[in-house]
Amino acid sequence: AQSVAQPEDQVNVAEGNPLTVKCTYSVSGNPYLFWYVQYPNRGLQFLLKYITGDNLVKGSYGFEAEFNKSQTSFHLKKPSALVSDSALYFCAVRDGEFSGGYNKLIFGAGTRLAVHP
Amino acid sequence: EPEVTQTPSHQVTQMGQEVILRCVPISNHLYFYWYRQILGQKVEFLVSFYNNEISEKSEIFDDQFSVERPDGSNFTLKIRSTKLEDSAMYFCASLGQGSYEQYFGPGTRLTVT
Repeated sequence: AQSVAQPEDQVNVAEGNPLTVKCTYSVSGNPYLFWYVQYPNRGLQFLLKYITGDNLVKGSYGFEAEFNKSQTSFHLKKPSALVSDSALYFCAVRDGEFSGGYNKLIFGAGTRLAVHP
Repeated sequence: EPEVTQTPSHQVTQMGQEVILRCVPISNHLYFYWYRQILGQKVEFLVSFYNNEISEKSEIFDDQFSVERPDGSNFTLKIRSTKLEDSAMYFCASLGQGSYEQYFGPGTRLTVT
């Protein structure tokens, strides 16, 4: 069965410093991986995805993520954190491996990112 | 930019009552989903819907739940007889043909008293 783990409940970082939010996955077949962000009282906003190709994918708001097949990881990164990046971040994997299919997303537990001025 | 919308934003209901949560997916999207998030917990899949029928449902999605796309634009989730443990944030999502990322609505916070 597919699963996603986010080992950190919370990540604290100073504004201007680089940030990393960790995610590891377990899938059968090729992984389709996603990061979403949730601001207080808001829905989930799509940040970026890895489907195939370059291991470093770039997304919204200056975020990027590195796919590492050998370590089964998909860590979210940003070179310079902003206070406004403070939010709840979810890693997700698409269940199954059908191209363009409608399979559900399986989410990690979420990591709260706190960026301090 | 097109977005998924949901109404109401907050619904309070008494245990045993029926509720209908409404969603308007992004037009021309073909796949529709409901997820829920109990406070402080992870986002959980409830059901997926395509071509006017359920594609997949989770064990949470029992006989008390149903979904419908009544008019080609709205996508509804009905809970026939709510329980206290149904209190959660319910998210609707939609997916376009040939796409990979699901787009989520802002959610409906359901409180069952």
